[in-house]
Amino acid sequence: DAGVIQSPRHEVTEMGQEVTLRCKPISGHNSLFWYRQTMMRGLELLIYFNNNVPIDDSGMPEDRFSAKMPNASFSTLKIQPSEPRDSAVYFCASSLDRGPNQPQHFGDGTRLSIL
Amino acid sequence: AQRVTQPEKLLSVFKGAPVELKCNYSYSGSPELFWYVQYSRQRLQLLLRHISRESIKGFTADLNKGETSFHLKKPFAQEEDSAMYYCALSGGRGATNKLIFGTGTLLAVQP
Repeated sequence: DAGVIQSPRHEVTEMGQEVTLRCKPISGHNSLFWYRQTMMRGLELLIYFNNNVPIDDSGMPEDRFSAKMPNASFSTLKIQPSEPRDSAVYFCASSLDRGPNQPQHFGDGTRLSIL
Repeated sequence: AQRVTQPEKLLSVFKGAPVELKCNYSYSGSPELFWYVQYSRQRLQLLLRHISRESIKGFTADLNKGETSFHLKKPFAQEEDSAMYYCALSGGRGATNKLIFGTGTLLAVQP
């Protein structure tokens, strides 16, 4: 298993542009998480899905951020319009929701730079 | 409110010295706590979980409910232990897999 796959690995774009980050969870996992990592704030949970349904999006910073999970094998995180303060590493993780203490498996992350 | 606090952004020790990475939490319930590690150029990965009471790569962590702490310890640090360490709390009824992370501690083990 290749694990959680994220694309692109790096994204550099100008402010105001739309950015779409993609994630393919581990096959069979039914929970998917989007995190943002910055030096100042560490790892912050943005949103998570269970069985393709968004459960908690309280970490999504603004309306500029949106996430979808159209099926069990794909999710997107979109920023529109992007701003320089959105620059961070964005991680996707998946897990099998069989109760507590299930580990989350992380992707390699997308390093986003907004100029 | 649920919170995880890692007071040290950076911890630098010499090889062979003991290591203790501090983690405190606030949670109104029975917490489930984890340590995740991110080595250079690798993915963030689970190191250990308190429920398993295990030792991984020489690291242990004991949940102290009285002090609301879950410090990560290793008696003799190795250079390959250099990495970013995150303490995480799983909480919320109906949200059994949701993790709240601390801000992380960078462990640097000097030769």
